[in-house]
Parts: sequence; structure tokens; C-alpha cells
Amino acid sequence: QIQLVQSGPELKKPGETVKISCKASGYTFTDYSMHWVKQAPGKGLKWMGWINTETGEPTYADDFKGRFAFSLETSASTAYLQINNLKNEDTATYFCGRDANYWYFDVWGAGTTVTVSS
Amino acid sequence: DIQMNQSPSSLSASLGDTITITCHASQNINVWLSWYQQKPGNIPKLLIYKASNLHTGVPSRFSGSGSGTGFTLTISSLQPEDIATYYCQQGQSYPLTFGAGTKLELK
Repeated sequence: QIQLVQSGPELKKPGETVKISCKASGYTFTDYSMHWVKQAPGKGLKWMGWINTETGEPTYADDFKGRFAFSLETSASTAYLQINNLKNEDTATYFCGRDANYWYFDVWGAGTTVTVSS
Repeated sequence: DIQMNQSPSSLSASLGDTITITCHASQNINVWLSWYQQKPGNIPKLLIYKASNLHTGVPSRFSGSGSGTGFTLTISSLQPEDIATYYCQQGQSYPLTFGAGTKLELK
């Protein structure tokens, strides 16, 4: 069946780097773009941006420009989110979501919880 | 950025009730509005896309309506498994934005 499998929880210190994976299965990876969504503890959903899985071109929301990077390993049907120079406010669950080709998300990963603490 | 104003922020209802959640966009988003359900500790799940289209497998007691700037999500005959937080999301333009959520609780 169609699913997105994300990597496990991460505990990091401020200033470190984390790379989260999102492996797609059950469909042709390059047929659908991938989005990333942040959910801080007890808070709502915030769109981070998306990556074109055909071209690899990323687009970032303003709040996620600079320290955040989306990438692909197309041969492995996997999308990645890397966060550099981690800050306490990066503590959150990060979801990948498949774009159903009309800017909404029909399949979601289980989420990866990143905790940043000294 | 398009702001999505969702109301109410919380709602208490009884089993069997019909409830309505509204979402108002700060500018015209045509029908590019989706609704998601998120149960505690769980992932968001797509309910409605393009304002009024029911996603595969979603019970027919869920319905969506609206266009332009005003949208509603209606749940008819509330069931225990409907207790969750509901979010609207616009897909008209970048950045994609979500409403702040409506937490639905049992009375």
C-alpha cells in the first residue's frame, strides 16, 4: 500500500545537525511532490516547504530559509529534511506529506520527533 | 501570506450532534481548501479536498462546502471516533497555510 516511512526520534544538542528521512513506497516517487510540515509541542501545523521530486528543486517558506534543506535520493524513493545549527525552538515533530498534485496532502508520514536540548 | 481564520478554537458536543467548523481566508482561494483530522498523538488525515470533495475512505457524515473566502466542515451525527482536532489548509498560493485548529471534545 501507499505509505511514507519516516526515520526515528532524534535527541540533539543546540548547534548540531539532524537529517530526517521519508521513504515512499507503493507509488512512483517522482509522480508526486513532497512537502514538509512542522508541529511544535501542543501547537498547530506549519508548512515548511516542498521539493519537486522530478527536478529536485526545493521551495522554502520564509521561516525555513537558511538552516533548512530538502533533498532527495530518488533511487531509494526517499526525501530528506536536514536542519543545521539546531535551536531549542526546532523541537517539534516533522511530517512529510505527499502532494496529491493540487497543493493538499493525501498521505502523511508518521512524523519524526526532534528534541533539541543541552 | 493568506491567513486562515478558523473558528471556533474549541467545541464541545454530544454524540449524535451535527457540528460545523468554519474557516475564513484573508483573500480569495477559490476552492483550494482542504480539511484534516488529527487525533491526539496521531498524524493528520485528509478528510476533504477542493472544498467539498470527500477523500477516499472518509465516512459520509463528513462534508465540506464553500468557495472564495468562506468554508465550512460539517460532521453529522457525531461519533466517538470523531473526537480530534480539525485543521483547514489553503492551497491557493505560497506559503501554504493552515488554520489554528478546532479541538472537538465530548460534552
